[in-house]
Amino acid sequence: AQSVTQLDSHVSVSEGTPVLLRCNYSSSYSPSLFWYVQHPNKGLQLLLKYTSAATLVKGINGFEAEFKKSETSFHLTKPSAHMSDAAEYFCVVTQDGDTGRRALTFGSGTRLQVQP
Amino acid sequence: NAGVTQTPKFQVLKTGQSMTLQCAQDMNHNSMYWYRQDPGMGLRLIYYSASEGTTDKGEVPNGYNVSRLNKREFSLRLESAAPSQTSVYFCASSDASDEQFFGPGTRLTVL
Repeated sequence: AQSVTQLDSHVSVSEGTPVLLRCNYSSSYSPSLFWYVQHPNKGLQLLLKYTSAATLVKGINGFEAEFKKSETSFHLTKPSAHMSDAAEYFCVVTQDGDTGRRALTFGSGTRLQVQP
Repeated sequence: NAGVTQTPKFQVLKTGQSMTLQCAQDMNHNSMYWYRQDPGMGLRLIYYSASEGTTDKGEVPNGYNVSRLNKREFSLRLESAAPSQTSVYFCASSDASDEQFFGPGTRLTVL
C-alpha cells in the first residue's frame, strides 16, 4: 500500500525567505507524485508533477520539487516566499493498484504562513 | 471553459435528510472523483469513476452513493445524512496524465 507523510502541519516564513515543505512517500511501484495548493475557501490547483522524467521538477509560481528515490522524498521548495504563497499545500502520490485503476493518496497537508 | 463545476456551494441538512451533490466537467475527461476534506486529514477518496457507466469505491464510501450520468456529470448522494458527514466535498476529473482538476467544493453541515 502507498502512503504519504507531510512532515510539518504548519510552516511559517518571512516574505523573501526560502520555503521548504517536506514530503515522504512509500510506494510498492513506480509512483507519480504531485504537489497541489489550496488557497482559503478554494479548490485545489496543481503546482507541479513528477512522472519518472527529470528528477527536478519545476512548477508554477517559482516552486520546484526534487524526487529522491533513495530518500523516498519529494520536498517542495521556493527560493523567495511571497505573501500570496500563504495557503495549504498537499503532496499526492498515485500508482497503479491491484485492480489496474490509479489509486491516489493525499498527504494531510502543510499550512504555509508568510509573515510580512 | 468552466472546468469543473459543483452545486450547491453550501448546504445545511438535518440528520436523516437526503441530498445529491452535483458535479460537471467540460474538459472531456474520462475519470471523475468525489473526495471529502476534513481538518488535518487531507482529501479522502469516496468514489471514483474511470469512465461513463463505471464506478468504484474509494477509501471512505460508506453512507454515499454515486451516479455517472454521462461523461460530463458525476453526482454524489447522501441517502440519510449523519453529523459525521459534515465536511467539504470536492469533485475532480482527470485526463490520461493523472493530473486532477478540482471543483470549488461544497461545504456541507449536518445538524
